[in-house]
Amino acid sequence: NAGVTQTPKFQVLKTGQSMTLQCAQDMNHNSMYWYRQDPGMGLRLIYYSASEGTTDKGEVPNGYNVSRLNKREFSLRLESAAPSQTSVYFCASHINLNTEAFFGQGTRLTVV
Amino acid sequence: KQEVTQIPAALSVPEGENLVLNCSFTDSAIYNLQWFRQDPGKGLTSLLLIQSSQREQTSGRLNASLDKSSGRSTLYIAASQPGDSATYLCAVRHGYALNFGKGTSLLVTP
Repeated sequence: NAGVTQTPKFQVLKTGQSMTLQCAQDMNHNSMYWYRQDPGMGLRLIYYSASEGTTDKGEVPNGYNVSRLNKREFSLRLESAAPSQTSVYFCASHINLNTEAFFGQGTRLTVV
Repeated sequence: KQEVTQIPAALSVPEGENLVLNCSFTDSAIYNLQWFRQDPGKGLTSLLLIQSSQREQTSGRLNASLDKSSGRSTLYIAASQPGDSATYLCAVRHGYALNFGKGTSLLVTP
C-alpha cells in the first residue's frame, strides 16, 4: 500500500519558471490537501479539495493553482515561481473530517 | 483563527525517561486533534488521533489526552528511546484545515 505519493521529491527552479507538483493517493480518500512547511512558520494550508470536483483556498493560496484531476490525484501548479515559494510542500489526504490525515514524503522546492 | 502552541520548543532527555509534550489551542470547536512525528527531511507520520468527544488515546508507549474545554492536549511518551528522537507536531482540525503547532524537537540521548 503506497499511501500518498508525491513527485518530484526535489526540484530547483529559476524565478519565473512554472512547474506542477503531483500527488496521488491509493486509499480511496475523499479529501486532499496541499501544505507548505517553512522554518519558524510551521505547516500552512495552501489549497484543499474536500471531494472530487471541488477545490478551495487555504491560508496561503496566492501564487498557486490546483487541479483535482480525479479522486486519486491532486496537483499543485506554480505559474511563475518566486523565491518566496522556496519551501517543502506536502500533500495529505483523508476519508472525511473525522478520520486521520496521511501525508506524503514531501517535495523540496528551491526557487533561485 | 485557530492558534496552536506547543511547549517546549525543544527537549533533551536521557534514555528511559518518561516525558510529556504539551499542545494548546485557542478555539475549542474542533473535530479532532492529531499528533504526528517528523524525522529530519521526511514526511509526517501519524501517531494518534483523538476525536473531540474522547479524553485519551493510547498506542504502545504513547498516550495522548485531550481537554477540549481548556484547549489542551498532552502527548506522554513512556520509557523514551533514542529512536524516539524527532520533531513532534500537534494539529487541530477546525473545519477542513488542520492547524499545526510549530512542534517540539525531542532528543533522547543514550
